[in-house]
Amino acid sequence: AQSVAQPEDQVNVAEGNPLTVKCTYSVSGNPYLFWYVQYPNRGLQFLLKYITGDNLVKGSYGFEAEFNKSQTSFHLKKPSALVSDSALYFCAVRDDSGYSTLTFGKGTMLLVSP
Amino acid sequence: DGGITQSPKYLFRKEGQNVTLSCEQNLNHDAMYWYRQDPGQGLRLIYYSQIVNDFQKGDIAEGYSVSREKKESFPLTVTSAQKNPTAFYLCASSMGPLELNEQFFGPGTRLTVL
Repeated sequence: AQSVAQPEDQVNVAEGNPLTVKCTYSVSGNPYLFWYVQYPNRGLQFLLKYITGDNLVKGSYGFEAEFNKSQTSFHLKKPSALVSDSALYFCAVRDDSGYSTLTFGKGTMLLVSP
Repeated sequence: DGGITQSPKYLFRKEGQNVTLSCEQNLNHDAMYWYRQDPGQGLRLIYYSQIVNDFQKGDIAEGYSVSREKKESFPLTVTSAQKNPTAFYLCASSMGPLELNEQFFGPGTRLTVL
């Protein structure tokens, strides 16, 4: 069975500072990893994904994520946070078997203060 | 929210009633999904469909039913057998579960049982 852990319910950061939202995963094969963002009462928006290749993945709105196979992690990062980045962030994983579905973490609320 | 529409945005149901949530996509995607979102629990998969006239149960299918008579449409019925239906329901689609592309989400329907 595959699983995702987002160990922090909430992350607080000041505007202009770097941010990190943590994600660790467990899958039986090779992982396919995704980050999504959700604003209040809205659907999820895709940020970025890791399938294969370079361990540093760049995505929308200046976000990036680093895939670390030995630590089974896929942390989301941004060099300089904006107040408008405040939202709920979800990490998701599936394996490479071809027939698995996405498993989502419980989400991390990011609050960026002015 | 891409090319996926969900209706209604808010839905109120009396106990014992069945209700149907609509999901339509114009992205020509083969696969469609229904998720339930509860505070602090992330997204949980209810049902998914890889192709017209075919669907599979997800992790929490009990008390729900779906149909996939058209490629564009994947309605979800919340039956009276669902003991705790109050939640935010999200529909998503992707090019196909065997593809590595991300899922696109609709804006969601918030269901409240009175």
